[in-house]
Amino acid sequence: TQLLEQSPQFLSIQEGENLTVYCNSSSVFSSLQWYRQEPGEGPVLLVTVVTGGEVKKLKRLTFQFGDARKDSSLHITAAQPGDTGLYLCAGATSGTYKYIFGTGTRLKVLA
Amino acid sequence: ETGVTQTPRHLVMGMTNKKSLKCEQHLGHNAMYWYKQSAKKPLELMFVYNFKEQTENNSVPSRFSPECPNSSHLFLHLHTLQPEDSALYLCASSQIWDRVSSGANVLTFGAGSRLTVL
Repeated sequence: TQLLEQSPQFLSIQEGENLTVYCNSSSVFSSLQWYRQEPGEGPVLLVTVVTGGEVKKLKRLTFQFGDARKDSSLHITAAQPGDTGLYLCAGATSGTYKYIFGTGTRLKVLA
Repeated sequence: ETGVTQTPRHLVMGMTNKKSLKCEQHLGHNAMYWYKQSAKKPLELMFVYNFKEQTENNSVPSRFSPECPNSSHLFLHLHTLQPEDSALYLCASSQIWDRVSSGANVLTFGAGSRLTVL
């Protein structure tokens, strides 16, 4: 059974701090996505990475796909209260569009 | 309306009731999905419809019955549910569900239907 483990599960930080969220698996993925879900809403796609070692930046968010395409990280610089939410990674193995979602990281940024 | 719309947003039902969840997408997508989101568990894929044809059923109990009359609408019919079925049910759509192509498939989610089974 494929499993995407995210760490940490919960994170509470002060505004302005930096943080990194990890997404790890023993499976190789052809593509990996990161979503953010705010309370009362569905997940919203942040980024998709498809190449091993790929780095993508979205304003203060930096996403990296591991060289072996088994893991990914999300780094947030100078976190803001608006970054609060549940961060989910989701990976699809080669030959399928079936995305397996990670266990999630719940982030709270305090003003 | 734009995006993916789910109704009702909240539903409370008894174990003997029959109810339905509705999902509508205005994105011109051809694939629609039902996911279950429970506390302390990863998002679970339940069903996938591609061009109105069911392509995935992840061993979901028969008390959940999906229906996809066209590419824009998706229903989840509920009957004789159990308290452990209480969860947030999310509908999503994507351009296509394609087993052959590699690369990314972007899911657009609705806001979900929060179901409580008493």
